[in-house]
Amino acid sequence: KAGVTQTPRYLIKTRGQQVTLSCSPISGHRSVSWYQQTPGQGLQFLFEYFSETQRNKGNFPGRFSGRQFSNSRSEMNVSTLELGDSALYLCASSFWREGNEQFFGPGTRLTVL
Amino acid sequence: GEDVEQSLFLSVREGDSSVINCTYTDSSSTYLYWYKQEPGAGLQLLTYIFSNMDMKQDQRLTVLLNKKDKHLSLRIADTQTGDSAIYFCAESLNNAGNMLTFGGGTRLMVKP
Repeated sequence: KAGVTQTPRYLIKTRGQQVTLSCSPISGHRSVSWYQQTPGQGLQFLFEYFSETQRNKGNFPGRFSGRQFSNSRSEMNVSTLELGDSALYLCASSFWREGNEQFFGPGTRLTVL
Repeated sequence: GEDVEQSLFLSVREGDSSVINCTYTDSSSTYLYWYKQEPGAGLQLLTYIFSNMDMKQDQRLTVLLNKKDKHLSLRIADTQTGDSAIYFCAESLNNAGNMLTFGGGTRLMVKP
């Protein structure tokens, strides 16, 4: 069974631009969560989608948004990029049941210049 | 609020046991997780424990949970050089385990 895939793996943008990252979950997984990993703040929860609906959201500004498609693939978008948005963005997928296990993708490394 | 803390660094010799510790603050956490991250890679789920358990063993891994002290530990028996990585503990913010609060990670270095 294929794992979680994320594209692109690396991205360089400049301040003020916007970016879209993509995540394809493991087949059959309907929940997709996004996390930001930075050296200063560590791993932080961004948001979680299930059946095309955002069910949970972390403490991030409105510049960070996402969506989920009917095939469970998800995208996240960051508008008006800031230098501090440079990070590894990780996507994780899981079934929707108690105690389920989240499986993470390799991440997208975003560098904002 | 939720806060998960770990020591930054641990160094052991190959063949020894490693114990990585974690403390958390949210007493309502129902699931606690251990993840491993190797350089340039995403997170690999190692194991998780339900909050009504005290211990869980999975091959070389043993998880101990002290709910009274909000203390979680991961013991790796017969540590190998391939175990060198960063280890994260995480608590779930919901029963589904898809909203996690992570600790800062413990870098484990295994010396041959």
